[in-house]
Amino acid sequence: EAAVTQSPRNKVAVTGGKVTLSCNQTNNHNNMYWYRQDTGHGLRLIHYSYGAGSTEKGDIPDGYKASRPSQENFSLILELATPSQTSVYFCASGDAGEAEQFFGPGTRLTVL
Amino acid sequence: QQKVQQSPESLTVSEGAMASLNCTFSDRSSDNFRWYRQHSGKGLEVLVSIFSDGEKEEGSFTAHLNRASLHVFLHIREPQPSDSALYLCAVSIGAGSFNKLTFGAGTRLAVCP
Repeated sequence: EAAVTQSPRNKVAVTGGKVTLSCNQTNNHNNMYWYRQDTGHGLRLIHYSYGAGSTEKGDIPDGYKASRPSQENFSLILELATPSQTSVYFCASGDAGEAEQFFGPGTRLTVL
Repeated sequence: QQKVQQSPESLTVSEGAMASLNCTFSDRSSDNFRWYRQHSGKGLEVLVSIFSDGEKEEGSFTAHLNRASLHVFLHIREPQPSDSALYLCAVSIGAGSFNKLTFGAGTRLAVCP
């Protein structure tokens, strides 16, 4: 049974549109993370959260917002999507103070 | 800022031959190292974690860490075609309640029958 799930798995959006990517975890972890993966860059951290109500900027936060309404859910929001945000997005969860992170299956986003 | 580089970018080996992947990092304070495997279109699967100099074996995967030389290696013993995937190295520094993972760009491994 998957402990980190993401929805949708695939999304096509138009430039200037709003996109929300959702992540749910049943690990009861405090920390959650959003990454994007692009060829030649590995995974890069966009936003992360220490717990419900908290969001922090990662290494590449420009153009993205995040929301953590509960322990289980962490959303990534693109208010005005651009083609440069075409990528595969991964959500992860982890215990506070632990480096181990558990990843979801990814969301492939295409912005036309 | 931590930089993590992996080499080679791609590697082809024959089934059963040893595969060796290299990861270099820049911050000597790093204390957490992980190797992940990612099959095409799938999520990340952790293979082996290592925290101190030396070797750590998990099944057919062995990580070798040498912090003095800023290297962590992954050796895959007798790889099978099912091991064909992208291999990612991730490095972190333990610091309070948040451990940031910095990833390399990956090595794409192809195992030929």
